[in-house]
Amino acid sequence: QAVLTQPSSLSASPGASASLTCTLRSGINVGTYRIYWYQQKPGSPPQYLLSYISDSDKQQGSGVPSRFSGSKDASANAGILLISGLQSEDEADYYCMIWYSSAWVFGGGTKLTVL
Amino acid sequence: EVQLVESGGGLVQPGGSLRLSCAASGFTFSSYEMNWVRQAPGKGLEWVSYIYSSGSPTYYADSVRGRFTISRDNAKNSLYLQMNSLRAEDTAVYYCARENSGWGDAFDIWGQGTMVTVSS
Repeated sequence: QAVLTQPSSLSASPGASASLTCTLRSGINVGTYRIYWYQQKPGSPPQYLLSYISDSDKQQGSGVPSRFSGSKDASANAGILLISGLQSEDEADYYCMIWYSSAWVFGGGTKLTVL
Repeated sequence: EVQLVESGGGLVQPGGSLRLSCAASGFTFSSYEMNWVRQAPGKGLEWVSYIYSSGSPTYYADSVRGRFTISRDNAKNSLYLQMNSLRAEDTAVYYCARENSGWGDAFDIWGQGTMVTVSS
């Protein structure tokens, strides 16, 4: 089982909100990890969005709009990237990442379609 | 302007070697930890290797450990990835990325990537 699992795709309408999940493998407690989120558009390198470990310890990337936010769902053992007020430019691949067992680990990515 | 520029990619036969370079500019390179991340065609991101600001310690993904070596030359503001015993599954775009401890160790700056194709 992968360390981080993301749904492969998600669709949402312009103006709506999208919640992208990043589920940690059983036995890896989401509460103790800083979760990083990256956005990648076709033909471009990834861009850092934000990181989240708790409401008192979170970091927004430079120039990243506040409609991108992070949170956790402890009951689901998952990190969440919430994008509110979806815009067509938000259509992209989104990756989560953690530092685990002396290695950086990426989730498989979620392709967000805004239609 | 803060910038990372990769070079050294190309076509190589299975079992061959290649050395990637990443030239940094616009920031104090010697103060930052650095990483290599790759992305196979049509696939997701895969972390490859990490190096501390001083050059040690280093860490590797299981898929490349023993075959790839990360290094840096702070005097030349450059990061390297020596890749030996290359396999078809190493075919990917290779990105170098700056790790910013001031931002909770986020990868805040990425290069545009260099393509490595392993094929006979």
